[in-house]
Amino acid sequence: DIQMTQSPSSLSASVGDRVTITCRASQSISTSLNWYQQKPGKAPKLLIYAASNLQSGVPSRFSGSGSGTDFTLTISSLQPEDFATYYCQQSYSTPGTFGQGTKVEIK
Amino acid sequence: QVQLQESGPGLVKPSQTLSLTCTVSGDSISSGSYYWAWVRQPAGKGLEWIGRIYTSGSTNYNPSLTSRVTISIDTSKNQFSLKLSSVTAADTAVYYCARGLWFGTRDYFDYWGQGTLVTVSS
Repeated sequence: DIQMTQSPSSLSASVGDRVTITCRASQSISTSLNWYQQKPGKAPKLLIYAASNLQSGVPSRFSGSGSGTDFTLTISSLQPEDFATYYCQQSYSTPGTFGQGTKVEIK
Repeated sequence: QVQLQESGPGLVKPSQTLSLTCTVSGDSISSGSYYWAWVRQPAGKGLEWIGRIYTSGSTNYNPSLTSRVTISIDTSKNQFSLKLSSVTAADTAVYYCARGLWFGTRDYFDYWGQGTLVTVSS
């Protein structure tokens, strides 16, 4: 299985801050990398697919970049509704493993 | 608007078989470049990919579960199902069904069910 490692595991930030979350794959996965947002008690929500494509309806303050083994999710200006846990997922090969998650908390 | 809804027992005894169904509404389960998947999440933990099925019946399973898992599809009912045998407490989790969509050679989950908690306990 391909292992996905996110960093940091958690972070505290203020509204308006620029936030960056990284995800590293244990082997090259090209751009087969997706990002999801999950709020407590809710299903994950797709934010970014194929590393850098913004899902329809997702605010443009979210962006993704990277290829190969290193990927980044950036929130350009953190909003109150963005406090949640974020997961990366590789879809290069099955099983489509997820990172352990990054919890974004209010500072 | 596509919607997915999980259903099934919320409590399963150890060594028995967990059975869940996902009902898809708003679109035909047979249309498009889709597959249908199950993902689970133990309380307070991360997401685990269980497996997927195409409308052709072709499946892929997580190797850690492959000896115990079966995913099937019923296109006439617009449903797909998960069976996990010989369950233990470690299988206690929220189980999600999801739709997978292909974007060229890349794929991702674009729609998810709300999730259903399954507890394994005697």
